[in-house]
Amino acid sequence: NAGVTQTPKFQVLKTGQSMTLQCAQDMNHNSMYWYRQDPGMGLRLIYYSASEGTTDKGEVPNGYNVSRLNKREFSLRLESAAPSQTSVYFCASTLGAANNEQFFGPGTRLTVL
Amino acid sequence: DAKTTQPPSMDCAEGRAANLPCNHSTISGNEYVYWYRQIHSQGPQYIIHGLKNNETNEMASLIITEDRKSSTLILPHATLRDTAVYYCIVRVAGGYSTLTFGKGTMLLVSP
Repeated sequence: NAGVTQTPKFQVLKTGQSMTLQCAQDMNHNSMYWYRQDPGMGLRLIYYSASEGTTDKGEVPNGYNVSRLNKREFSLRLESAAPSQTSVYFCASTLGAANNEQFFGPGTRLTVL
Repeated sequence: DAKTTQPPSMDCAEGRAANLPCNHSTISGNEYVYWYRQIHSQGPQYIIHGLKNNETNEMASLIITEDRKSSTLILPHATLRDTAVYYCIVRVAGGYSTLTFGKGTMLLVSP
């Protein structure tokens, strides 16, 4: 099992450009999450998907959109990137909504110039 | 979810026990204590969780005070690979809830 995978690992964008961060899990998990982590800070939840076909806003959703493409994949889209979105983005998944353990991907390091 | 307070940093000698404290004085009766850690540049990793009894697994032990207002994560024999930021998180188990990460404790294990 690869667990949770994320692509790309690194990305540099110019202000106003758009891009999609990809996340996939092969553990047959129902719930998936997107977090961002700014330097010296803890993780903050952007969006989550409790189950296939549903998505909900987290703590910091502005400037982002998500798509739960199928049970395995959960993508995060920046329509018009801003320097404030420079961060490390982590995807995570859990078996169920009340499951104890979240499994995290390795992260995508995004810089917006 | 209740708020947690952790020291910003701690040091530990390799091979010794690392005891990481967490204060959660406003914890509710249906809230669990979770611990995650994040090794530099990696995604967070689940360590352990508990409600009111002490818990132990292959990674660590979790000691929760009787009044549940504080807890301690114990790494019994710390190694250099345990150097990481450790997050104490309180959340409701059962039903749907997400994790709220604070700044955690940076544990530095030295030779």
